Amino acid sequence: AAGVIQSPRHLIKEKRETATLKCYPIPRHDTVYWYQQGPGQDPQFLISFYEKMQSDKGSIPDRFSAQQFSDYHSELNMSSLELGDSALYFCASSLRGFEAFFGQGTRLTVV
Amino acid sequence: EDQVTQSPEALRLQEGESSSLNCSYTVSGLRGLFWYRQDPGKGPEFLFTLYSAGEEKEKERLKATLTKKESFLHITAPKPEDSATYLCAVQARGGTSYGKLTFGQGTILTVHP
Repeated sequence: AAGVIQSPRHLIKEKRETATLKCYPIPRHDTVYWYQQGPGQDPQFLISFYEKMQSDKGSIPDRFSAQQFSDYHSELNMSSLELGDSALYFCASSLRGFEAFFGQGTRLTVV
Repeated sequence: EDQVTQSPEALRLQEGESSSLNCSYTVSGLRGLFWYRQDPGKGPEFLFTLYSAGEEKEKERLKATLTKKESFLHITAPKPEDSATYLCAVQARGGTSYGKLTFGQGTILTVHP
């Protein structure tokens, strides 16, 4: 069965650079969520989209933005990167909010 | 604000020693309670969603139950491969979109052979 695909899997950026993370949800899923997970921490909600419209917003810095495109893939754009942005970033998708499935994540390292 | 508290933080079991993990929650109208398994550096793996008090779901050695205030994940005769972090999350009702999942801190389960 198709799963949530994230790219890239690993990303190394320098401070003040920009990063773009991509997420391809499970086909026919209408909701996409983005989460950030620091070492030893639980996933923290960043933002979500329902049918390509932003539906909920969490503790997402103003330096970050996200959108969902007509083909339902989503991108998380992160600018002016800081050392504290180093984390695992997960995307999840669901159909009408049931059974949210997560991707394998992007490990972002800011040096 | 939705809150999820998991206990214990860490649990060490011998292979075959059954036990339970607890997830206590407060939410403004529960739509669903989710259990996930997470291995280091990997994405959370979906296990169960429970929707109403009294509901139970099973998968292999795992059984999840739900009350109005908490959920339990029972592990029967665990094996070393069950070692992982188990995450609980709640989703609140409301609106026309399907809201965020709020996670607990997780329980780190280690099963020794």
